[in-house]
Amino acid sequence: GESVGLHLPTLSVQEGDNSIINCAYSNSASDYFIWYKQESGKGPQFIIDIRSNMDKRQGQRVTVLLNKTVKHLSLQIAATQPGDSAVYFCAVVPSGGYNKLIFGAGTRLAVHP
Amino acid sequence: GAGVSQSPRYKVAKRGQDVALRCDPISGHVSLFWYQQALGQGPEFLTYFQNEAQLDKSGLPSDRFFAERPEGSVSTLKIQRTQQEDSAVYLCASSLAGTGYTFGSGTRLTVV
Repeated sequence: GESVGLHLPTLSVQEGDNSIINCAYSNSASDYFIWYKQESGKGPQFIIDIRSNMDKRQGQRVTVLLNKTVKHLSLQIAATQPGDSAVYFCAVVPSGGYNKLIFGAGTRLAVHP
Repeated sequence: GAGVSQSPRYKVAKRGQDVALRCDPISGHVSLFWYQQALGQGPEFLTYFQNEAQLDKSGLPSDRFFAERPEGSVSTLKIQRTQQEDSAVYLCASSLAGTGYTFGSGTRLTVV
């Protein structure tokens, strides 16, 4: 089966710095990857996604990198702001299924002024 | 609607009580998922619907958990004879075509 793990449970950064959140997955056949942001009392909010045929995808202040060789995914947030403080989850959609998301445990990002 | 709506937002149940949690997905979204999120953990898959058909219920923890989506729109997750270990946030998500999952804010269930 698929399992998803995160390297750091908590990440503290200074406002304005860049943040990098990492995620490892186990199934090399995984097809689709999504990063979610979850604020307290809210459901997960889509940030950015990437398919397995890509290595990098950029959004507004966010970049997702996919390294299929080592089965590693990262989320980079540029110029981190206090509003970025939340728990971040990577989620994997295994290939061959019906798009069931498998989530990692999450990394809490704390942004300090 | 504009987003996925879940009700109630909070539910306190006495142990042994039955509860029903409602999910209104985005209009037209074919796929609907239920997830359970324990405190400090990532969401765990419970069950999946495509229209009114429940295609996967492998994540339901026990036969006390039951979900339905009779008309392919609104879904209800029912938990019978609630136990303390059922305390969690229950999240609903809907999707149009396998991407663009949108989550509701969840129902926080506390069993006392």
